Amino acid sequence: DQQVKQNSPSLSVQEGRISILNCDYTNSMFDYFLWYKKYPAEGPTFLISISSIKDKNEDGRFTVFLNKSAKHLSLHIVPSQPGDSAVYFCAASTGTASKLTFGTGTRLQVTL
Amino acid sequence: GAVVSQHPSWVICKSGTSVKIECRSLDFQATTMFWYRQFPKQSLMLMATSNEGSKATYEQGVEKDKFLINHASLTLSTLTVTSAHPEDSSFYICSARELLYNEQFFGPGTRLTVL
Repeated sequence: DQQVKQNSPSLSVQEGRISILNCDYTNSMFDYFLWYKKYPAEGPTFLISISSIKDKNEDGRFTVFLNKSAKHLSLHIVPSQPGDSAVYFCAASTGTASKLTFGTGTRLQVTL
Repeated sequence: GAVVSQHPSWVICKSGTSVKIECRSLDFQATTMFWYRQFPKQSLMLMATSNEGSKATYEQGVEKDKFLINHASLTLSTLTVTSAHPEDSSFYICSARELLYNEQFFGPGTRLTVL
């Protein structure tokens, strides 16, 4: 039972344009959401998080949007850069200190 | 930022042998460490949560006698894959969390190949 889903396994975006990565969840108890970036053969690197009391959180080029009623969150990267090419995982937890449930990942490729 | 290391970064072993993977928090004290497994093109699956000085809590379907976890100090946790078999070949990643902070910091992972 995949409680966190990323339905797009891959995404290709031109440099300078916006990248939008989507994530859906089924467990209504989740109230804390995170995005991680991962390169092959490396551990995930934390990008940005959002609590369920907010619907938007922004950090530089990265913005995360949360739609609780739709159980959907998205990560916007603008402008996209070639160095953003990686696999992006969303993760969710109940409370900020509990275990994380990861999505299946989306491979982003930013082309020149 | 907080740094978590893993050793070894990759290991190849024969079927039936045991392999130990170390996870260290280098510049902070990790009261909780997590062990994940990732199969190719799949998600990170939590295997177990360990708190310093106490027994690990395993996720459903993970054999605790096969995947031995020890968290003897605030900076070191070990995962031992006992009697490894080819189906145990995977990418094992640990993460560590400091007491006062919620964020998990991930290690670089260990690629295990069992022949």
